[in-house]
Amino acid sequence: QLQLQESGPGLVKPSETLSLSCTVSGGSISNSSHYWGWIRQPPGKGLEWIGSLYYGGSTYYNPSLKSRVAISVDTSQNQFSLKVTSVTAADTAVYYCARLPVGFWFFDYWGQGTLVTVSS
Amino acid sequence: DIQMTQSPSSLSASVGDRVTITCRASQGISNYLAWYQQKPGKVPKLLIYAASTLQSGVPSRFSGSGSGTDFTLTISSLQPEDVATYYCQNYNSPLSITFGQGTRLEFK
Repeated sequence: QLQLQESGPGLVKPSETLSLSCTVSGGSISNSSHYWGWIRQPPGKGLEWIGSLYYGGSTYYNPSLKSRVAISVDTSQNQFSLKVTSVTAADTAVYYCARLPVGFWFFDYWGQGTLVTVSS
Repeated sequence: DIQMTQSPSSLSASVGDRVTITCRASQGISNYLAWYQQKPGKVPKLLIYAASTLQSGVPSRFSGSGSGTDFTLTISSLQPEDVATYYCQNYNSPLSITFGQGTRLEFK
């Protein structure tokens, strides 16, 4: 059974960089049939796509976040990572990692999510 | 950016009711539309993709329809476990992934 697990600091200071990892188990991140992505949800609000990545390195980013976001992959660890620079309180959210079927940009498996709070 | 607008934002219904939620895209997206269910405090769950294809394991009381700009999610007979917020998602390109604002479904 495929599982995704987010990890990283739960508290980040304003203007610093948010860094999260997603470890994939029960399947290979190098599977050519899938992309991998990040979505976030501010407390009490809706879902926002952040970006998606293929194991070969190609990436797609939400245009509204593109200048501050980077997603990368480590196939040896079967994980992918998210960095968001220059964070503000508006970046406080539950961050989810998820899987996307190649050619179909919906999310069929999700991690449990991790809350990241931006505060001094 | 393609904007996705759901209606209503919230609704109340009774067990056994037929419930319909609407999602409208700001431009045509063919059938590149998914629906998710998010129960309180839980992870979103994929219900439907390609506007009308039920994800494996999803009860048959859920159905989706539509194409172009107008889509609907229907629950044929509301069950207690269906209390949740429902989101539509456009995926007509890898650079255009957007969610609706959500519809909160509660019991009367």
